[in-house]
Amino acid sequence: GAVVSQHPSRVICKSGTSVKIECRSLDFQATTMFWYRQFPKQSLMLMATSNEGSKATYEQGVEKDKFLINHASLTLSTLTVTSAHPEDSSFYICSASTGATSNQPQHFGDGTRLSIL
Amino acid sequence: RKEVEQDPGPFNVPEGATVAFNCTYSNSASQSFFWYRQDCRKEPKLLMSVYSSGNEDGRFTAQLNRASQYISLLIRDSKLSDSATYLCVVNGGYQLIWGAGTKLIIKP
Repeated sequence: GAVVSQHPSRVICKSGTSVKIECRSLDFQATTMFWYRQFPKQSLMLMATSNEGSKATYEQGVEKDKFLINHASLTLSTLTVTSAHPEDSSFYICSASTGATSNQPQHFGDGTRLSIL
Repeated sequence: RKEVEQDPGPFNVPEGATVAFNCTYSNSASQSFFWYRQDCRKEPKLLMSVYSSGNEDGRFTAQLNRASQYISLLIRDSKLSDSATYLCVVNGGYQLIWGAGTKLIIKP
């Protein structure tokens, strides 16, 4: 149980392109979804937390106008990287939790490797 | 001081050996603790939750020491497939705080 699907797994595109990443919980309703970014050999960095039907909470230093998050249903959250630039190249991972608090483990999607040329 | 600290390693361990590593956390109010493993260029996968009484799952044993504010992971009879980065995760308020991971390399 607790399967999270993330799509696409790999994106290579030109600078200035906007990229949309989907995160779906397949067999459970995710009260909360999280978006992380991970640079090589570094830990996961939380970008934002989203709850279904409400605005996402962004971490300090993360531009909400650049990283648009939509959590329209209990099974789907999307992250759109607008006007992506080479410095946005990274591994983006979503996770979903069945609980409303941080006492529940998070279940991860496969991640999206984004490369901006 | 980082909220969650781990020795980055790498720990180079021969196959069949026992290996253990710790993770320290700074928030004494933390209630939930987890170990994840992450293979190279893949997403983290939950290995086990860490309970106050400690817990064991096959070759893996996790312990919590609240007094000294650390959790530990012990792997017995290590296999080549155990090679990965092990991430310590602690809840801090409304979110989970991730350690940078300990890299483990099991050698034949």
